[in-house]
Amino acid sequence: EAQVTQNPRYLITVTGKKLTVTCSQNMNHEYMSWYRQDPGLGLRQIYYSMNVEVTDKGDVPEGYKVSRKEKRNFPLILESPSPNQTSLYFCASSSLEPGLGGRETQYFGPGTRLLVL
Amino acid sequence: DAKTTQPPSMDCAEGRAANLPCNHSTISGNEYVYWYRQIHSQGPQYIIHGLKNNETNEMASLIITEDRKSSTLILPHATLRDTAVYYCIVRAFMEYGNKLVFGAGTILRVKS
Repeated sequence: EAQVTQNPRYLITVTGKKLTVTCSQNMNHEYMSWYRQDPGLGLRQIYYSMNVEVTDKGDVPEGYKVSRKEKRNFPLILESPSPNQTSLYFCASSSLEPGLGGRETQYFGPGTRLLVL
Repeated sequence: DAKTTQPPSMDCAEGRAANLPCNHSTISGNEYVYWYRQIHSQGPQYIIHGLKNNETNEMASLIITEDRKSSTLILPHATLRDTAVYYCIVRAFMEYGNKLVFGAGTILRVKS
């Protein structure tokens, strides 16, 4: 089954304790991205990657890091989490090919709910 | 800045067609209209997209006005499982960063 998986799904942590949220897709997609969703602010892009070893900042990258060493994985790293990073996080992926099922169709993971105390 | 305007919420009877409107009066020639939905804090799900012609797939139909300033997503036979937040998104097909900008969307409640 084609899917994007995220782990963990729920996480409670404390300020300053480094954490990593993993994202993996099995569709051989070039493009992967991270969003955060907050009440009243909608979904905002954090980082994205157009292919292996190619990453770039989205709209709200402060406090986050990413890496893309393999095509299927795109982990989100919070080196020193703070309470304002409490949020619902989504990973997404898509092909970059034009046409049906291509770059216009982004597949989202189930979400990771993070609480930073 | 939001490029689209949607009603905050709508109700629909189960089995009836759900018609969700979207205004995008400032849409430019290279911008497409996309619809995604989000069911109860799950990851958003792609529904359909179009440029200027009406489109239909197994999930829904998309009707775009001739001047492209508005569109309507039609779920032909809504079920309870279609209860979700529906997002209308306008963006260029080759948008830098392939980013989707989600607004507030329309909460669709399908009722039995």
